Amino acid sequence: QKEVEQNSGPLSVPEGAIASLNCTYSDRGSQSFFWYRQYSGKSPELIMFIYSNGDKEDGRFTAQLNKASQYVSLLIRDSQPSDSATYLCAVRGNTGFQKLVFGTGTRLLVSP
Amino acid sequence: DAGITQSPRYKITETGRQVTLMCHQTWSHSYMFWYRQDLGHGLRLIYYSAAADITDKGEVPDGYVVSRSKTENFPLTLESATRSQTSVYFCASSGTWDREGEKLFFGSGTQLSVL
Repeated sequence: QKEVEQNSGPLSVPEGAIASLNCTYSDRGSQSFFWYRQYSGKSPELIMFIYSNGDKEDGRFTAQLNKASQYVSLLIRDSQPSDSATYLCAVRGNTGFQKLVFGTGTRLLVSP
Repeated sequence: DAGITQSPRYKITETGRQVTLMCHQTWSHSYMFWYRQDLGHGLRLIYYSAAADITDKGEVPDGYVVSRSKTENFPLTLESATRSQTSVYFCASSGTWDREGEKLFFGSGTQLSVL
């Protein structure tokens, strides 16, 4: 079992719809959870982070964390073609920063 | 410009050659990291550094060497390149490792091909 799992996609949504990206993790002691966006040929950039159970909203993005079920999700409201990218989930365990583990990413395609 | 820069952007080399990838950051961030990104594997940590002269192995360190004599520089050396080291390499930095500092800033990457 991979430590951080994501569906590779592509996830296709029409413009204006809500895109829902999911991530599960295996280390129950994980402390910190991140979503990075990576455009094709570019480097990852942090878009959201969450530490506590529940929802965290930032503009059109909402991160949701459920530690009991060991999943974290990212919702993108009013999806735009410019949101088309690969979204990487990253999880840090409780053994130090060197244990930041990335998922393989979900490719999102937003069609006009 | 402030930020984190990597060089070269693209590199082609042959098996057995030594290659050094450069990483420079202007934020005076304490923490620096080297990742490789491959299809099906995502980002994997090669080496990291908590400060000048402090480095440690990550998940996939074999065949790589790092040094950090100055806070701003963190070069990655492939001692004898192999085809399996063909990948995209990202350098990253982070200012602190408290809750708010626990964010990585990535360089633009180096695409390395080993023939």
